[in-house]
Amino acid sequence: AQSVTQPDIHITVSEGASLELRCNYSYGATPYLFWYVQSPGQGLQLLLKYFSGDTLVQGIKGFEAEFKRSQSSFNLRKPSVHWSDAAEYFCAVLNTGFQKLVFGTGTRLLVSP
Amino acid sequence: NAGVTQTPKFQVLKTGQSMTLQCAQDMNHEYMSWYRQDPGMGLRLIHYSVGAGITDQGEVPNGYNVSRSTTEDFPLRLLSAAPSQTSVYFCASSYGGSGNTIYFGEGSWLTVV
Repeated sequence: AQSVTQPDIHITVSEGASLELRCNYSYGATPYLFWYVQSPGQGLQLLLKYFSGDTLVQGIKGFEAEFKRSQSSFNLRKPSVHWSDAAEYFCAVLNTGFQKLVFGTGTRLLVSP
Repeated sequence: NAGVTQTPKFQVLKTGQSMTLQCAQDMNHEYMSWYRQDPGMGLRLIHYSVGAGITDQGEVPNGYNVSRSTTEDFPLRLLSAAPSQTSVYFCASSYGGSGNTIYFGEGSWLTVV
């Protein structure tokens, strides 16, 4: 069965510092991977997705993620964090047969001044 | 372009009451699904549909019913609400196959007292 693990429940980063959020997946076939962001009281916003091709994926708001098949990972990165990046981040893998997403439990990002 | 529309956005129910969360999409998507989001658990799939007249259970289907009489609509019914169903509910839709974007509604915040 597919699964996604986000090992960090909370992360605190200083404004201007770099960020890496970890995501590990388990999927039998070629994975289709996503990162979503959710601000408090808001819906989900798609940051980026990986379907095939270049393993370094660029997204919105200056985020990028790297797919590493050998490590079953899809970590999210940003070189310089802004206070407005404080939110909860979800990694997900797609079951393409039924268009079902399997989500990780999320990582809450706190940004300190 | 409305996308995926969920109603209501907020609802308070008493234990034992029934209600329906509405979900409509105007993109002629075959696939629709309902997720619930709970703190520390990410989003979990409740029910999904691969086309009009076809539905199936997801990870946490107990206490919920769905039907898909049209391509556009996928309502989620709570037959007898319980406090454990206090959650944020998201509806999603997409075309089939890989490489397609999954569209989410803005969420419905439900409290059962």
